[in-house]
Amino acid sequence: DVKVTQSSRYLVKRTGEKVFLECVQDMDHENMFWYRQDPGLGLRLIYFSYDVKMKEKGDIPEGYSVSREKKERFSLILESASTNQTSMYLCASSFRQGFGYTFGSGTRLTVV
Amino acid sequence: KNEVEQSPQNLTAQEGEFITINCSYSVGISALHWLQQHPGGGIVSLFMLSSGKKKHGRLIATINIQEKHSSLHITASHPRDSAVYICAVFTGNQFYFGTGTSLTVIP
Repeated sequence: DVKVTQSSRYLVKRTGEKVFLECVQDMDHENMFWYRQDPGLGLRLIYFSYDVKMKEKGDIPEGYSVSREKKERFSLILESASTNQTSMYLCASSFRQGFGYTFGSGTRLTVV
Repeated sequence: KNEVEQSPQNLTAQEGEFITINCSYSVGISALHWLQQHPGGGIVSLFMLSSGKKKHGRLIATINIQEKHSSLHITASHPRDSAVYICAVFTGNQFYFGTGTSLTVIP
């Protein structure tokens, strides 16, 4: 089975801190995605990547950046965390666009 | 404007009941997904549909492309089915997600 692993289940960070959320998949998927999930808004795409060193903005990229130096790892970076970035963050990967999505277990980030 | 609308938002059922969750969408799609999210956050893909009907155990998913509507049915519901169920549509370029239906099954 494909496994998508997010490094932390719960994180608490202070306003202004630089925050790294890590995601690793073990099935050689080309495509990786970062979403945030908020009550009443559903999942919203932050960034995605179709290949190593390649990234594309999603619907809500402001305040975030990403890094994909290796195929299996896709990092989400909050350059200066703010309280409105308190959310559940979900990583996903797929072997083909739109198909075979596998999600990680999520990271619940609280910015205080 | 939400491209994907789910109903109901919240649902409470007695164990053994037949459950239906509905999803309507407004965009052209190449596939529709039903996802399950348990408390704690992890999401599991239940079905991917582009036409017709699929069945897996007690779960049945149907889609009507002409009406832009899909339903997820759970037969003989059980407390372990308690979760948030999310409808997601793929247009060929991107996903749109519903806000989810929170299901609680009471013993």
